[in-house]
Amino acid sequence: QVQLVQSGAEVKAPGASVKVSCKASGYIFTGYYLHWVRQAPGQGLEWMGWINPNSGVTTYAQKFEDWVTTTRDTSIRTAYMEVSSLKSDDTAVYYCARGRDPTPQFDLWGQGTLVTVSS
Amino acid sequence: QSALTQPASVSGSPGRSITISCTGTSSDVGAYNYVSWYQQHPGKAPKLMIYDVTNRPSGVSDRFSGSKSGNTASLTISGLQAEDEADYYCISYTSSTTLVFGTGTKVTVL
Repeated sequence: QVQLVQSGAEVKAPGASVKVSCKASGYIFTGYYLHWVRQAPGQGLEWMGWINPNSGVTTYAQKFEDWVTTTRDTSIRTAYMEVSSLKSDDTAVYYCARGRDPTPQFDLWGQGTLVTVSS
Repeated sequence: QSALTQPASVSGSPGRSITISCTGTSSDVGAYNYVSWYQQHPGKAPKLMIYDVTNRPSGVSDRFSGSKSGNTASLTISGLQAEDEADYYCISYTSSTTLVFGTGTKVTVL
């Protein structure tokens, strides 16, 4: 079955880090880019960045360049997104989405991971 | 990179047509034919409705169509149905090799 399955909800304190995973199945993991998108409660979608699982090359929106890191482990077909120095306004649902390349054609989405930042 | 500008809300009666605009700049929407549109129902992941300005993925109703003129892309929904009530987002490739979403539009079927 072609799908992306993300890790479960997280609650973190301000200043901590969180690492969200996105496991691919049913397709060639290294044949597609993985993009990360977040959505704060009641707010719109925000593109964060992408990783090319084949090469490991990444690109981030300027806003996230200094505190978001995406990696991948091709042996287990999983991509990761780590957000550091969490603040309350990082509370959001984080999605991974499959894309053919760096362009915004996302044909498969994970179920989303809610990250709550609270003291 | 600033978000692309969309109207906050658009409404229409069943069977009618509506158009949602997505205004960017000459560095994003105006520069590339890489604009997509996503539909999102409450509590659900977004769904791809249009890609590369005008293309519809397999399985998406032909009531959805996309176009672009200059720095503004548009999504038209014809024959509006109750199930079309949702939030819609545009997204564009940019000259910085990044992507930027629109502000989102809530579509209401009257």
